[in-house]
Amino acid sequence: DTEVTQTPKHLVMGMTNKKSLKCEQHMGHRAMYWYKQKAKKPPELMFVYSYEKLSINESVPSRFSPECPNSSLLNLHLHALQPEDSALYLCASSAGGGAFYEQYFGPGTRLTVT
Amino acid sequence: AQTVTQSQPEMSVQEAETVTLSCTYDTSESNYYLFWYKQPPSRQMILVIRQEAYKQQNATENRFSVNFQKAAKSFSLKISDSQLGDTAMYFCACINNAGNMLTFGGGTRLMVKP
Repeated sequence: DTEVTQTPKHLVMGMTNKKSLKCEQHMGHRAMYWYKQKAKKPPELMFVYSYEKLSINESVPSRFSPECPNSSLLNLHLHALQPEDSALYLCASSAGGGAFYEQYFGPGTRLTVT
Repeated sequence: AQTVTQSQPEMSVQEAETVTLSCTYDTSESNYYLFWYKQPPSRQMILVIRQEAYKQQNATENRFSVNFQKAAKSFSLKISDSQLGDTAMYFCACINNAGNMLTFGGGTRLMVKP
C-alpha cells in the first residue's frame, strides 16, 4: 500500500473558524511533510516531521499549527486564516529523512477561506 | 539553499512523438538528488524519475529518461512515445543531502494532443 490519504478533500471556512486537516499513511514512513500549493504554482514546504518531531518550520504563520500524534498521522490545525491562505494543502511522507527516500504525496485538501 | 528553474511554462506534443522538458538547478550541496514529478489535473503528484547526483549514468524509467549534465547543472526529461495520459504538470525538483528540503521548479504544463 503506497497511499497517503488526506481528509477532507475540500474545505470552506470563514476567517474566524477553527478547522483541521488530516493526513494518514500506513507505509511505516517516519518522515511526514505539509506543503502549500497555490494555483499553477509549485508546492511550497511548510513543515517537516521526522520521527514524530517537528524538524522544519519554514517560517509559517502561527495560524497554522501542525501536530503529529503518531507515526502514521499528521494534522494541520487552522485558526483565523486569511483569504490568501486559500490553496491546495498537500501532505507527503517518506521512509526516512534522507535524500534517498522518495516522497509520496496525498491528493491534497483544497481549502477556501471566505 | 537550492533553486530550480523550468523555462518552459507550457508545451504540447502530438501523441506518439517525443518531447523534452528543460530544467536547470543550483545548489551548494556536495551530494543531492534530482527528481521529476508529474501532477495530472485534479490528481495527486507522483514521482516519474530520479537521479542521484554522484551517478554519471542517466536514469531511465520505461518511456522516461533524463539528460543529466552535472557541470551545466541541467536536468532535462525526455518522454518518448507520448501518450494522452502524460498530459500533466511536470515539476523538476532538487533535494538537499539531509533529505528534508525538496525544492520545486515552477513547473511545465504538458499537453499531449491526439
